[in-house]
Amino acid sequence: GQQVMQIPQYQHVQEGEDFTTYCNSSTTLSNIQWYKQRPGGHPVFLIQLVKSGEVKKQKRLTFQFGEAKKNSSLHITATQTTDVGTYFCAGPREGGSEKLVFGKGTKLTVNP
Amino acid sequence: GAVVSQHPSRVICKSGTSVKIECRSLDFQATTMFWYRQFPKKSLMLMATSNEGSKATYEQGVEKDKFLINHASLTLSTLTVTSAHPEDSSFYICSAIFNRGTNYGYTFGSGTRLTVV
Repeated sequence: GQQVMQIPQYQHVQEGEDFTTYCNSSTTLSNIQWYKQRPGGHPVFLIQLVKSGEVKKQKRLTFQFGEAKKNSSLHITATQTTDVGTYFCAGPREGGSEKLVFGKGTKLTVNP
Repeated sequence: GAVVSQHPSRVICKSGTSVKIECRSLDFQATTMFWYRQFPKKSLMLMATSNEGSKATYEQGVEKDKFLINHASLTLSTLTVTSAHPEDSSFYICSAIFNRGTNYGYTFGSGTRLTVV
């Protein structure tokens, strides 16, 4: 069945270091979305990528969608303690569904 | 905009009782609401999709008689965990689709942490 895989599962960084999480889908995606979940909180929508090779930036966050629309990455430059949380990628379930298939997430901890 | 309000945020109940969780879309109409379950340090598992005015559709392995979903209006969906048992203890989250210009995404409720004792 369709799978969305994310690596790494955990990442510990020193404040100021960069961070990247990678997302790979077993199927071609019409779009990919990224969410952030703070400890004890709920997922919050960050961004949606639609176009092949698309790159979007939000301040220190850079999101990429692969040319084949099967992989994506989220890169954070100069992490801050406020970046702590679990980052999930998600893509639509195959068949044109509105339902999402989530990756397992990458938990980021930042040492001050 | 695109806020989903979920209540209660935490509930502790006795084994065998039922618990109702409400999700309201505050500033938009949600014809479809998705209900997820999340175990500690795990990803989100879709349980069911509720559709306003029609029956919910459940994912494989989810007991529809145990997790009753009602979507009576365009702004309210409820999940009732019936005859709850300790293994039902989990974090339950609802979400709905929102449109924001050329983007669309899913806005999540704040979640309900259910503990069955």
